[in-house]
Amino acid sequence: GQNIDQPTEMTATEGAIVQINCTYQTSGFNGLFWYQQHAGEAPTFLSYNVLDGLEEKGRFSSFLSRSKGYSYLLLKELQMKDSASYLCAVRERGSTLGRLYFGRGTQLTVWP
Amino acid sequence: EAGVAQSPRYKIIEKRQSVAFWCNPISGHATLYWYQQILGQGPKLLIQFQNNGVVDDSQLPKDRFSAERLKGVDSTLKIQPAKLEDSAVYLCASSSGTDTQYFGPGTRLTVL
Repeated sequence: GQNIDQPTEMTATEGAIVQINCTYQTSGFNGLFWYQQHAGEAPTFLSYNVLDGLEEKGRFSSFLSRSKGYSYLLLKELQMKDSASYLCAVRERGSTLGRLYFGRGTQLTVWP
Repeated sequence: EAGVAQSPRYKIIEKRQSVAFWCNPISGHATLYWYQQILGQGPKLLIQFQNNGVVDDSQLPKDRFSAERLKGVDSTLKIQPAKLEDSAVYLCASSSGTDTQYFGPGTRLTVL
């Protein structure tokens, strides 16, 4: 299994930049996903990292360091609609099954 | 392209009653997942299907939970009898092989 840790809550103001960290411990690693989940809605896919480095997609970027068991999600130019829970999920290495282990999620509140 | 469909969206039952949830995955997605998400936590995998076969049900409480995907498309998840601790959102997701998982809107179950 996996041990995934991320902060429970974060707050930021509109237009700012926020970084949500995720650390994991695993016997095997085959990729890390970030999902966004608004209250009462399904998780939606944001990003995927399997190699070290930064993946940029518009206002959102995700970074991975496999040696440190560490990832972060960077949100720029924050908007009110970015208020949501952000879930870090790790996929097992060597598995053809695609099983994901999720963290508890980080609840981000964006203030005007 | 239509997303993952789930029904019902909400269900309230009393403990010891039975309940069933339905999921229709994205067309062509061979892999289907059922997750349980308790309030304030990340989704936890209950069962994973590849076509109509079970590939991982290690976290499914088999004394009360069952699931099937008879024709390799739609799936149902059943709880019989329900307990108070089964109150959660039940999410269905699908993927093409081990690629990104796409989630349905979920069924919010309340057990009284």
